[in-house]
Amino acid sequence: DVKVTQSSRYLVKRTGEKVFLECVQDMDHENMFWYRQDPGLGLRLIYFSYDVKMKEKGDIPEGYSVSREKKERFSLILESASTNQTSMYLCASSRLFYEQYFGPGTRLTVT
Amino acid sequence: SQQGEEDPQALSIQEGENATMNCSYKTSINNLQWYRQNSGRGLVHLILIRSNEREKHSGRLRVTLDTSKKSSSLLITASRAADTASYFCAIEGNQFYFGTGTSLTVIP
Repeated sequence: DVKVTQSSRYLVKRTGEKVFLECVQDMDHENMFWYRQDPGLGLRLIYFSYDVKMKEKGDIPEGYSVSREKKERFSLILESASTNQTSMYLCASSRLFYEQYFGPGTRLTVT
Repeated sequence: SQQGEEDPQALSIQEGENATMNCSYKTSINNLQWYRQNSGRGLVHLILIRSNEREKHSGRLRVTLDTSKKSSSLLITASRAADTASYFCAIEGNQFYFGTGTSLTVIP
């Protein structure tokens, strides 16, 4: 079974802090994704990566950056956390043009 | 911009009834996928249908795709209380877009 793990289920950070969210997949998938999910807005794509060191902006990249140094690991970075980044963050991985496998999510609260 | 839209936003049915959810999209696609999310959890993939396919089945699930109308539907037959969840369509074209979801409640 494909496994996608995220470093934390719950995270509380202060405004202005730098935040790292880590995602690891064990199925050698080319694609990895970061989404945020907010009530009434569904899932919105922040960034995705189709290969090591490659990244593409999604719908809402502002305020975020990503890093993919190894194929199995995709990190989301909030350079200076703000309260409007309080959200559920979901990581996913997939083979090209195949279904995505999701991690359990990280609920981030920025106070 | 939201490229995928589900309809209805919420659906409540009795156990044993069928549930139909619709998804409309705006761009050309390689495939369309349906996912389920139980409260507070990650998403689980249900079915993927490619742009050259018109219908796909998996157990009690039936998905149709009409690329000329840019729409898809998910039918859950003989629903169970355990089907209570949010259902999302996702389109894969040049990028990846998820809809806002349909919240399904199945009443025992």
